[in-house]
Amino acid sequence: GIQVEQSPPDLILQEGANSTLRCNFSDSVNNLQWFHQNPWGQLINLFYIPSGTKQNGRLSATTVATERYSLLYISSSQTTDSGVYFCAVGVDYKLSFGAGTTVTVRA
Amino acid sequence: EPEVTQTPSHQVTQMGQEVILRCVPISNHLYFYWYRQILGQKVEFLVSFYNNEISEKSEIFDDQFSVERPDGSNFTLKIRSTKLEDSAMYFCASSGIPYGYTFGSGTRLTVV
Repeated sequence: GIQVEQSPPDLILQEGANSTLRCNFSDSVNNLQWFHQNPWGQLINLFYIPSGTKQNGRLSATTVATERYSLLYISSSQTTDSGVYFCAVGVDYKLSFGAGTTVTVRA
Repeated sequence: EPEVTQTPSHQVTQMGQEVILRCVPISNHLYFYWYRQILGQKVEFLVSFYNNEISEKSEIFDDQFSVERPDGSNFTLKIRSTKLEDSAMYFCASSGIPYGYTFGSGTRLTVV
């Protein structure tokens, strides 16, 4: 199956700081999504981004499909950004998830 | 924004009992999925469902598991005889095409 590696595994930020999360994947995909898992366990869809760049408020993402990686940028971080960020990739029916990056934003 | 709804949010069951987890996908979506996440681990694919049949299933999805779309709106996951290792968060998801998933809030299953 497709291998998904996320880095760093853990990230501690001071409120207001910027950060970059990385997702590498092992094969060509036609689906790539970033999710935020909040403290209640809910998976919140951030971006559907198999290629290109998207922005939504303080979050943005870039996927370079030819080089098999994606980046998630968090700017001006807030305590509500804390949680686990998952990258998930796939072809057609199945998504393979990475192990996630645990982000802690301190006030 | 349309949501995928899962019920119950938390279920506790005794080992060996049958459980049914319920999901209402987004109404115009055609593809439906179940995933699970054991505490502290990755989210794992279980099964995908399209046109009233299973499209793909993982090795986790053995004979103890089944899925059904009984009435055109609900999508269910049944575990016939639960084991302790079935304790996990179970997520339902749907998509309009085989991309761009929307996940439900999950059902936390605890087997005691």
